[in-house]
Amino acid sequence: NAGVMQNPRHLVRRRGQEARLRCSPMKGHSHVYWYRQLPEEGLKFMVYLQKENIIDESGMPKERFSAEFPKEGPSILRIQQVVRGDSAAYFCASSPPTIPYEQYFGPGTRLTVT
Amino acid sequence: EDQVTQSPEALRLQEGESSSLNCSYTVSGLRGLFWYRQDPGKGPEFLFTLYSAGEEKEKERLKATLTKKESFLHITAPKPEDSATYLCAVQAGGGSQGNLIFGKGTKLSVKP
Repeated sequence: NAGVMQNPRHLVRRRGQEARLRCSPMKGHSHVYWYRQLPEEGLKFMVYLQKENIIDESGMPKERFSAEFPKEGPSILRIQQVVRGDSAAYFCASSPPTIPYEQYFGPGTRLTVT
Repeated sequence: EDQVTQSPEALRLQEGESSSLNCSYTVSGLRGLFWYRQDPGKGPEFLFTLYSAGEEKEKERLKATLTKKESFLHITAPKPEDSATYLCAVQAGGGSQGNLIFGKGTKLSVKP
């Protein structure tokens, strides 16, 4: 059973460009979560999605950030007009519908903004 | 404000030297407390879930316990391969069921 998959693993963007991060949940998991980990900081919750629904986006910055989990395909975290402060590791997690608290994490995407 | 504090920030042990990591929390109604292990450059690996005070879980050399204010991760006779950062997280009653609040972690180094 494949785990949570994220791609790309590393992404370099120049200031002002767009970054798209992809996440495929574990088989049988219908809940997806995105977290950001800044250097020397703990993981911070960003958004919680189910298929075609945003359940909780209380951790998402108000501007430039958006997330979706379409009926078909991976979940996408999109960052428009990236700035240096967006450089971080972005982790996706998924959970089964019956145990939403138990989140299994992917390997992360390390975004570097130059 | 819901908060998770882990101590110590870093811990160095000799192989076979048992110790404990601490996770103290302040939340408005605890739904669950979670321990993860994170190796450098990788995502957190799920270890344990604890739901109520007095609960204990064990896995190999690790044992997690929970009280009303804190959780401990006991490591018995650690080996070098136990070296990693251990993360504690809570799911608070006031947040959505997806919103985990993480501590900054304890970086454990086990020397042979």
